[in-house]
Amino acid sequence: NAGVTQTPKFQVLKTGQSMTLQCAQDMNHEYMSWYRQDPGMGLRLIHYSVGAGITDQGEVPNGYNVSRSTTEDFPLRLLSAAPSQTSVYFCASSPKMGRLDGYTFGSGTRLTVV
Amino acid sequence: GNSVTQMEGPVTLSEEAFLTINCTYTATGYPSLFWYVQYPGEGLQLLLKATKADDKGSNKGFEATYRKETTSFHLEKGSVQVSDSAVYFCALREGGNNRKLIWGLGTSLAVNP
Repeated sequence: NAGVTQTPKFQVLKTGQSMTLQCAQDMNHEYMSWYRQDPGMGLRLIHYSVGAGITDQGEVPNGYNVSRSTTEDFPLRLLSAAPSQTSVYFCASSPKMGRLDGYTFGSGTRLTVV
Repeated sequence: GNSVTQMEGPVTLSEEAFLTINCTYTATGYPSLFWYVQYPGEGLQLLLKATKADDKGSNKGFEATYRKETTSFHLEKGSVQVSDSAVYFCALREGGNNRKLIWGLGTSLAVNP
């Protein structure tokens, strides 16, 4: 099925460990982004990409790294996990053109850092 | 800067009650406006959208009208069901080439049978 696929769905990390959250889309969307969702804080943008080879920071980029080597994939790397990074992470994508388009979201990765 | 303000939840209703979730915005230019819904344990899904003043977005019995004079985009449904229990997010997308969405904090809705 077309859409945004995130893996894993759940993950527990120890403080200081690193990991990569995977995001892939098969809709040929040029714009992709990562959000974190925390209770009472809504959605906060971590990083985004407007096309392969181009990435930029969002509101809360510290402690996260991204790359965009292909149109389809946009992995999010946690360099050294901290308890403050316990959250639900969502990947979202959008076509290049038009303010008429909303986003397509993945189903999320629930991360716990202990 | 641009912003979106939603009414705080949680909102608790009985089945078949009328629903209104308020959303107001601050923006320059002519943004597009969206409502997203997040069911428990899932990602967000686009519920409806409107791209210019007086447009009405509708889907699954939900409606919202883009009111530029009051900078509002309130979500309404005439008769809610238990299956409508979810978190609802209002968002705006700025005009031009900026594709980023600006989000409200979300409003949780619980519908009791």
